[in-house]
Amino acid sequence: SQKIEQNSEALNIQEGKTATLTCNYTNYSPAYLQWYRQDPGRGPVFLLLIRENEKEKRKERLKVTFDTTLKQSLFHITASQPADSATYLCALPGGSNYQLIWGAGTKLIIKP
Amino acid sequence: ETGVTQTPRHLVMGMTNKKSLKCEQHLGHNAMYWYKQSAKKPLELMFVYNFKEQTENNSVPSRFSPECPNSSHLFLHLHTLQPEDSALYLCASSQVGPYVYTFGSGTRLTVV
Repeated sequence: SQKIEQNSEALNIQEGKTATLTCNYTNYSPAYLQWYRQDPGRGPVFLLLIRENEKEKRKERLKVTFDTTLKQSLFHITASQPADSATYLCALPGGSNYQLIWGAGTKLIIKP
Repeated sequence: ETGVTQTPRHLVMGMTNKKSLKCEQHLGHNAMYWYKQSAKKPLELMFVYNFKEQTENNSVPSRFSPECPNSSHLFLHLHTLQPEDSALYLCASSQVGPYVYTFGSGTRLTVV
C-alpha cells in the first residue's frame, strides 16, 4: 500500500542554521508533492508544490527538492528563525479521486 | 483568515448530545473535505464532496453525518459520540488538479 514517512521525532535547530526535513514515500509515483506548515491547534497552511519534472523549487527562505528515483523530498529552511517552529507535513496525490495522502509531520523547533 | 471558516472553534459535548460543525468557503473551490486529526497521528480523511456530491466515505461511523447543501457550505452532524472521538476536526477545500488544499482553523472537539 502507499506509504509516506516523515521523521516522527522533533527536529531541534539553532536559530540561523538551515533546517532540513525529509519525506519518503513507497509504492507510489506521484505527479507532484506538497509541503504544508501546521501550527498547534490550527489547520495546515500550503507552502510549496513541486512537480515530478522539477528537481528543485524555492520560495524566499524555503527550498524543496524532489528525487523520484530515491522517492524522497527534502524541505529546507535557510536562516531559520524561532517563528519557523511548527509541524511540517508532506502530502502526495493518491487514493480515489486523487485526494491528498498525508505524512504524520515533523515538528521543527528553532532555538534562539 | 484563510478563506475557509469553521465554527465553532471549540466544542465540549456529552455522549448523548447532538451538535453540528459548520464549514464555509468562498474561494470558488468545488471540492470540500472533512478530516480528523488526533495527537501525533496523520490527518484522517473522513468525507469528500465534489460539486456537492459525496464521493468518499472513509469507513466513518454513522454517528458522524455529513451534509453539503451547496458547494460553499459543509456540515458535520454529530450524535452519540464516544470519548475517543475527541480530536481536532478540520475542513478543507480545493480546486481540481493539482489539489492544493485550503484548511479552516479547525474545531477542537472534546467528548465527555
